Amino acid sequence: DIQMTQSPTSLSASVGDRVTITCRTSQTVSTYLNWYQQKGGKAPKLLIYSASRLHGGVPSRFSGSGSGTEFTLTISSLQTEDFATYFCQQSYTDITFGPGTKVELK
Amino acid sequence: QVTLRESGPALVRPTQTLTLTCSFSGFSLSKNGMCVGWIRQPPGKALEWIARIDWDDDEHYNTSLTERVTISKDTSKNQVVLTMTDMDPVDTATYYCARILAGNDRDYFDFWGQGSLVTVSS
Repeated sequence: DIQMTQSPTSLSASVGDRVTITCRTSQTVSTYLNWYQQKGGKAPKLLIYSASRLHGGVPSRFSGSGSGTEFTLTISSLQTEDFATYFCQQSYTDITFGPGTKVELK
Repeated sequence: QVTLRESGPALVRPTQTLTLTCSFSGFSLSKNGMCVGWIRQPPGKALEWIARIDWDDDEHYNTSLTERVTISKDTSKNQVVLTMTDMDPVDTATYYCARILAGNDRDYFDFWGQGSLVTVSS
């Protein structure tokens, strides 16, 4: 099974900050790596698919990069509505989710 | 407009079998590239993939749950059913179904149901 880690586990940031979250996989997943945002116990929402492709309707301040085993999600200028938990997910071999990164208000 | 909705019991006794139904609209599960998956999330914890079923009837299971889980689809009713046997309190979680778009260089959950909280307790 492919194992996934995310760093940091949580972070405190201010509105307007640039935020970067890293996801690492235990073996290559090529670009079969997706990012989701989850707020307040609601269903996750897709942000980025195939490592770097922005899902429809998602603000352009969100971007993704990486391939192989290391990936990043960047929020270029954090907005109030971005305080949430972010999960990465691989679908190269079966499906695995990362443990999540909680973005909190500083 | 794609929608998915989970339905099933809110409370299950230990050792019982859980049956959840995902009713969806706005797409056909017989169309190439369409899949539906189940994911769960214990309170305050991370997401865990359970199973998926693809347009071509392929079934895939989380290796840690494969002995207890079965997924099936009824294309004519636009439903996907998940059964999980021998339920335990550690299986208490919100269970989500979600559509998967699969294809060349892509495979992701793009639409999710609202989730169904299942509590396992005697």
